[in-house]
Amino acid sequence: GDQVEQSPSALSLHEGTGSALRCNFTTTMRAVQWFQQNSRGSLINLFYLASGTKENGRLKSTFNSKESYSTLHIRDAQLEDSGTYFCAAEAGGQGGSAKLIFGEGTKLTVSS
Amino acid sequence: DMKVTQMPRYLIKRMGENVLLECGQDMSHETMYWYRQDPGLGLQLIYISYDVDSNSEGDIPKGYRVSRKKREHFSLILDSAKTNQTSVYFCASSPSTAQYFGPGTRLTVL
Repeated sequence: GDQVEQSPSALSLHEGTGSALRCNFTTTMRAVQWFQQNSRGSLINLFYLASGTKENGRLKSTFNSKESYSTLHIRDAQLEDSGTYFCAAEAGGQGGSAKLIFGEGTKLTVSS
Repeated sequence: DMKVTQMPRYLIKRMGENVLLECGQDMSHETMYWYRQDPGLGLQLIYISYDVDSNSEGDIPKGYRVSRKKREHFSLILDSAKTNQTSVYFCASSPSTAQYFGPGTRLTVL
């Protein structure tokens, strides 16, 4: 079935550095969402993209539906960025009824 | 701010008991969802509701049922809970684009 392959599974960064997370899709997806799951377990919306690139502070995300991937770039990492990051791709459906297919997450640890 | 609420936040039940998890949203979103998350995994879709009394199975509906009698409320029901239903349950709602998630309910079935 439709799958979302997320990498890396774990990532360690020092404060002030940056890196990129990636999701590959096995089929064409309509849109992608990125979430941060914090230490309390809450899922925080980071981005929703149907195409192109969005930026918010130290985070930037790109969705290339034609080549079936999405990336999340984190720059100048801070301790509070630690958590698990999930991408979720929207497959099929109409409008808000689309299903989200989740990747398995990237566990990010930021250290001082 | 878009807000999705879930009650209770924590619940412990014995095998065979009935479980009711409740979700609310104050944004008049038509579509709502129930997911479960197990350790080390992403979320798996249990049910989708497109509006009042318009529900559809997700990927793992077995052992669950749902009820949506008002647009702002969506309930997940476990009749005779099983130990393998121990999990964290998330509700979400959507205005037709992004999905917005509640804080989750941690259910333990003993």
